[in-house]
This record gives sequence, structure tokens and C-alpha cells, in this order.
Amino acid sequence: GESVGLHLPTLSVQEGDNSIINCAYSNSASDYFIWYKQESGKGPQFIIDIRSNMDKRQGQRVTVLLNKTVKHLSLQIAATQPGDSAVYFCAESGGTSYGKLTFGQGTILTVHP
Amino acid sequence: DAMVIQNPRYQVTQFGKPVTLSCSQTLNHNVMYWYQQKSSQAPKLLFHYYDKDFNNEADTPDNFQSRRPNTSFCFLDIRSPGLGDAAMYLCATSRSNGWLETQYFGPGTRLLVL
Repeated sequence: GESVGLHLPTLSVQEGDNSIINCAYSNSASDYFIWYKQESGKGPQFIIDIRSNMDKRQGQRVTVLLNKTVKHLSLQIAATQPGDSAVYFCAESGGTSYGKLTFGQGTILTVHP
Repeated sequence: DAMVIQNPRYQVTQFGKPVTLSCSQTLNHNVMYWYQQKSSQAPKLLFHYYDKDFNNEADTPDNFQSRRPNTSFCFLDIRSPGLGDAAMYLCATSRSNGWLETQYFGPGTRLLVL
């Protein structure tokens, strides 16, 4: 079936380093992608999104890259801070599931001071 | 600030005792969603309302019901909670259910079943 998955379940980095979190998706009809950050005991927080007609989008300290050829999505966090420690989920929608998000399994990012 | 609010943040219930979780939103969004999230897992969609139209996911147990009395409020009713229903329950909203619609999540209600 359709799925969105992550290559790395955990990622540990030093404060100030750049972080890259990866996500693979299998639904070739997916045309909208979102990255969420979820801190312990809280709901997912929107970080950044990207449409399928783009291959890169930048926000404040974050960049999302989309490679439709290999169905791969990544989130880059520049100058990672301890406050970035959280679980990061990618989510996609599109095809027959407009308006419904399919979530990846999540990556735990730990930032060491 | 416009937001999605969930009450209570923590709920303890007994096995088999009905429980209701509530969600409200000030975003005036048309769509409201309920997700179940178990530890170390991604959120799993239970159902959603587009305005007054209820849309149930095929694998959502009958034990889970929902009500949306108006645009702002949506409730999750668990008729007979089992131990396996202990989880974080997340409410989310979106402006519509069309293309490029971002979902905004509330803080969640953590349910404990004794």
C-alpha cells in the first residue's frame, strides 16, 4: 500500500551542526509534503511544506528538498540548537487522498550542547 | 491567537467506562480531524468532519465515535475504553480538504486506561 517512511529512526548531533532528516515515500501521486516537529507531550507543529512542482524550499534555518525521481524528501536544519530536539515526521497527501495526510514513522533528533 | 485547543490535557478512565475528549478551534476551519498516536508511532487518522459531513476511516473501531455540534467544537467519544486505547489523542484542523491544505494540530489529550 501507500506509505511514507524514514531511513533513520534516530539522529544525534552537536549543537551548531547541521542536521539532515530523510524521508522516503512510495505514492508517486503525492503532490504535497509537510514536515512536522513534535516535542515530548505536545502535538505536531508545522515546520515547512513543499509542493510537488518545487524541488527546494527554504524557511528560517530549515530547508526542505524534494526529489520526485527517487521519491525522497529531506529536512535540513542549519545550526541545530538544543530546542530542535524532537521527533520529526514527514507527511504527504495527494492522488486519491487529498486532504488526508499519510505520516512517516518519525525520526528522533537529539541535539547535544 | 487563533489555535486548536484540547481538553483535558490528561484523562484517566477505567476499563469500560465511557470517556469524551474535546477539541475546539478558533481558526474557523471547515475540517476537523481526530488522530490516535501511540508511543513512538506516527499519528493514525481515526475520522474527520468536513463541515457536518462525517468521514470514518475503514479501520477505525466502532468503539470510537465523534460529534461536531458546530464549527468550533468536535468531540471524541470512546464508548468502552480498553487497555489498548491508552494513547495520545490529537485533534487537527484544516481550512478545507482540498489540495495543499495544511493541518494544524492541538496539544493532544493523553488518555490512560486503568
